[in-house]
This record gives sequence, structure tokens and C-alpha cells, in this order.
Amino acid sequence: DAGVTQSPTHLIKTRGQQVTLRCSPKSGHDTVSWYQQALGQGPQFIFQYYEEEERQRGNFPDRFSGHQFPNYSSELNVNALLLGDSALYLCASRRDYGTDTQYFGPGTRLTVL
Amino acid sequence: QKEVEQNSGPLSVPEGAIASLNCTYSDRVSQSFFWYRQYSGKSPELIMSIYSNGDKEDGRFTAQLNKASQYVSLLIRDSQPSDSATYLCAVIFSGTYKYIFGTGTRLKVLA
Repeated sequence: DAGVTQSPTHLIKTRGQQVTLRCSPKSGHDTVSWYQQALGQGPQFIFQYYEEEERQRGNFPDRFSGHQFPNYSSELNVNALLLGDSALYLCASRRDYGTDTQYFGPGTRLTVL
Repeated sequence: QKEVEQNSGPLSVPEGAIASLNCTYSDRVSQSFFWYRQYSGKSPELIMSIYSNGDKEDGRFTAQLNKASQYVSLLIRDSQPSDSATYLCAVIFSGTYKYIFGTGTRLKVLA
């Protein structure tokens, strides 16, 4: 049973660039959420996708956008990167029905120079 | 602003002792509560969820929920050095889909 996968593992970008992170949910899961985790902090909710729509959004600027595909995989796009965007980006998946327990992927470590 | 609060620690306990981790939250109507463990440089892994008042046990772990007092705790019995990690408390507040995480408590189990 494949768990949540994310790519790439690490990424280094410079200020002003754009980045795309990818996530494949756990088998049987249809809902994907993205989180940003800065060093020493808990994960901060960016947004959640269900049925290819953004269902809920956290307090992140419009530079952060996403997409969910028909196979439930998802992308997180960040434009005009800032130094403060350096963080671990986590994808989590769950089933929309039944339990609301979500499982995290291994994360993508983004460094903005 | 709905919040989840944890003591950042570090909490140090000797090997074999019980580690007690606490979490308070601001919304009395919250329904779903979770504990995750996160090793340095890794992603959070689920320990357990709890939805009803009282205790829920899973192996060496016991989650305790008290909705009237708005706190949830995690007890780790027979603590091992491999339990040394950051423990994250997460809450789903009513009317939302998002998890709100605390900043985590760093646990150190001393051999």
C-alpha cells in the first residue's frame, strides 16, 4: 500500500523564481492538503483540494496556488519566491468520507537564496 | 484566532519513565484531535487520533481528551531513547477542514 509521495526531495531556488512541488496521495485517498513548516514551528495550513477544487485556504498570499488532477495528485506552485518561503513543504492526504485522519508525505525541503 | 498551544520543551525523562505531553486549544466546539511524532528532518507521522472525552490507548501511548477543560494530552509509557522527537498536537476546529498544529514539544529520553 503506497503512502503519500512527494517530489522533489530538495530544491534550491533564488529570490523571484517560481517553483512547483508535486504530491501523490495515499492509495484510496481523494483529499490533499499542503502545509508549510518553518524551522522550529508546527506545520501551517496552506490549502486543501478536493474534487479538483480548492476547498479551504489558510493565511497565505496569492503567490501560493495549487491544482488537483483527476487522479487526485496535486501540485503546489509558489511564484515570486521570497527568502521567507524557505521551509519544509508537506503534503497530506485523507479520504473525504469516514475518518478525517490525514497522513503526511516525506516533504520537500525548499531553500530560497 | 483559533489556536493550539504546546510547551516547546525540551522535556527530558529517563529511559523507562512515563513522558507526559500536554496541549491546550482555544475552541470549545472542536471535535477532532491528533498527535503526531516528528523526528528531526523528517515529516510528521501519526501516533493516534482521539474524538471523545476520556482515554484512548494504543500500545505504549495513551491519549487523554478533556473537552470541558480544552486540553488533550499524550502519555508515553516505558519511554525509550528512540522516542526522542518533537510531538505535535493538531486540532480540527468545527466548521473547517484544516488541521491547526501547535509548535510541538521536544522530548528527550535519556539512556
